[in-house]
Amino acid sequence: DVKVTQSSRYLVKRTGEKVFLECVQDMDHENMFWYRQDPGLGLRLIYFSYDVKMKEKGDIPEGYSVSREKKERFSLILESASTNQTSMYLCATSSGSGNEQFFGPGTRLTVL
Amino acid sequence: QKEVEQNSGPLSVPEGAIASLNCTYSDRVSQSFFWYRQYSGKSPELIMSIYSNGDKEDGRFTAQLNKASQYVSLLIRDSQPSDSATYLCARFTGGGNKLTFGTGTQLKVEL
Repeated sequence: DVKVTQSSRYLVKRTGEKVFLECVQDMDHENMFWYRQDPGLGLRLIYFSYDVKMKEKGDIPEGYSVSREKKERFSLILESASTNQTSMYLCATSSGSGNEQFFGPGTRLTVL
Repeated sequence: QKEVEQNSGPLSVPEGAIASLNCTYSDRVSQSFFWYRQYSGKSPELIMSIYSNGDKEDGRFTAQLNKASQYVSLLIRDSQPSDSATYLCARFTGGGNKLTFGTGTQLKVEL
């Protein structure tokens, strides 16, 4: 079974703080994704990576950056957290183009 | 028009009935489709994928794809209260790794 873990289930930060969310997978999948999920808006892709050190912008990359230094680890960085970044953040992985994505448990981030 | 559209529901069905969840999409190049189930406060979990026109069955679940009419559906037979969740439809178009998700349909299975 694919196992995708995320560093925190719940996180509370203050406006302006730098926030790191980490995702680790143990299945040697090439692709990793970061989404945010908000009521009424569904899942929206922030960034994805198809290889180490490679990244592509998703639909809503503004205010976020990512890092993938190792194949199994994909980090999402909020450079200066704002209240409108309060959301559920979900990491996902897939083994190739067009294949199913498997999700981690999610991190519920609150920015005060 | 949204790329992937789902009725938000809630869709209420009695226990033991067939639940029918529908999803439409806006282009003709979508190649593969996925259904995810998401319980409240949890992350999405994959139920089924479907790539070709027709039906695909897995246990109590049947996915149906009609590319000409641009819709995909999920049937849940013998619905159970544990099936109560939000069901997300997603589509993948070739040329990239990006899945586009619908906003989900909430299903309630009542005793």
